[in-house]
Parts: sequence; structure tokens; C-alpha cells
Amino acid sequence: GENVEQHPSTLSVQEGDSAVIKCTYSDSASNYFPWYKQELGKRPQLIIDIRSNVGEKKDQRIAVTLNKTAKHFSLHITETQPEDSAVYFCAALAYNQGGKLIFGQGTELSVKP
Amino acid sequence: SAVISQKPSRDICQRGTSLTIQCQVDSQVTMMFWYRQQPGQSLTLIATANQGSEATYESGFVIDKFPISRPNLTFSTLTVSNMSPEDSSIYLCSVGGTSGFGELFFGEGSRLTVL
Repeated sequence: GENVEQHPSTLSVQEGDSAVIKCTYSDSASNYFPWYKQELGKRPQLIIDIRSNVGEKKDQRIAVTLNKTAKHFSLHITETQPEDSAVYFCAALAYNQGGKLIFGQGTELSVKP
Repeated sequence: SAVISQKPSRDICQRGTSLTIQCQVDSQVTMMFWYRQQPGQSLTLIATANQGSEATYESGFVIDKFPISRPNLTFSTLTVSNMSPEDSSIYLCSVGGTSGFGELFFGEGSRLTVL
């Protein structure tokens, strides 16, 4: 079945720097890859997603890239701000497992002012 | 996206007891999902709650431990039965988005502590 690996587990950057979080997946049939942000004590919030028919998607300071051949996708946050500090989860839609979302292990991002 | 309400938001429970978590959605949804998030961990799917049929459980989760009801298209409950400290987690209800591509939206979660 689908397996999603996420790296790094923790990431600390200075305010204004860029942050990159990477995920790999195992099921070549997976076709949808969302990213969630979870602030402390709150629910996971969908921040951006990408479908397998595109290679990149941007939304203001965040972007996601997808390499289907290598089966990996990444989240890029530019001009980081302290409010970007949170745990970020990637996920892949396991098409061959009834279409359920499989989550990565999470990355705790800390943006230092 | 749908508004998803869960209750209780948190509770402290005694070992051996059971607790039922309720999830209410402000619109009709076909599928509802229950996730568990253990402290400092990722999200693990417990089961898919189907209206009009039994829930579909993931490997490692069984109906006797986590019975689920889905009486209509806007409501579901998850019961955590015969609790032990290992069941201390956040339990999250989620529903799919309207695009049908697989995005999920989560309720606020129910944080259970078992003593």
C-alpha cells in the first residue's frame, strides 16, 4: 500500500528565509497531494494541494512541486514569518487503497524572529 | 468548506470506561472519516463512516474497540471503548471537500486523556 515519508522532522529558519519540506510516496497510482498546517492545539488546515497533472502550484508565499517520475513532492515557503511556525503534514491520496489520504510523519517548522 | 463540529473538545477519562465523540456537519456529506493523532504524531485513519452501512476499519482498528455510528448524512459518532492510557490521543472527524479530488477538512478534534 501507499507509504509517505516526510523530511525533515524539524526545521528551524530565520524570519525571511525560505523553508523546504520534502515528501516521497510509494504508490505510482497516487494522484493527489495536499499539504496541511497544524498550529499548536488546533486542527490541521489544508494550505495547498497539487494534482498529478501539474508540476508546480503557487499561492502567494507557498508553492508545491511534484516530480511524478521520482515520486516526490515538496512544499516551499518563501519569506518566512513567525506565524508560519507550525507542524506541516504532507499526504498522498492512495488511489489503490480506496482513495484514502495517507499522511507523512510531519515537520515541525520554527521561524525565529 | 463544510463547518464540522465535534464534542467533547476534551475530556479526562478513567481506565476501563468508554466515551462517545460526536461529529456534526452543516451540510450533507457522503463520507466521513475518523482519524487518531497520538501525542506528537501524525494522523492515522481509524475508519470510514458510511451512511446506511457498517464502517470500514483500517488495519489495527476493530469495531469492538471503536464502534462507529452514521445515522444520517450530517452526523457520526465514534466510541472509544474500554479505554486504557494508550488511547490518550486527539480524535478527529473529517469530511471530503466538494471538488471530489480527495481533500479533507477536519473538525477541531477531541482530546482524550485516559488516567
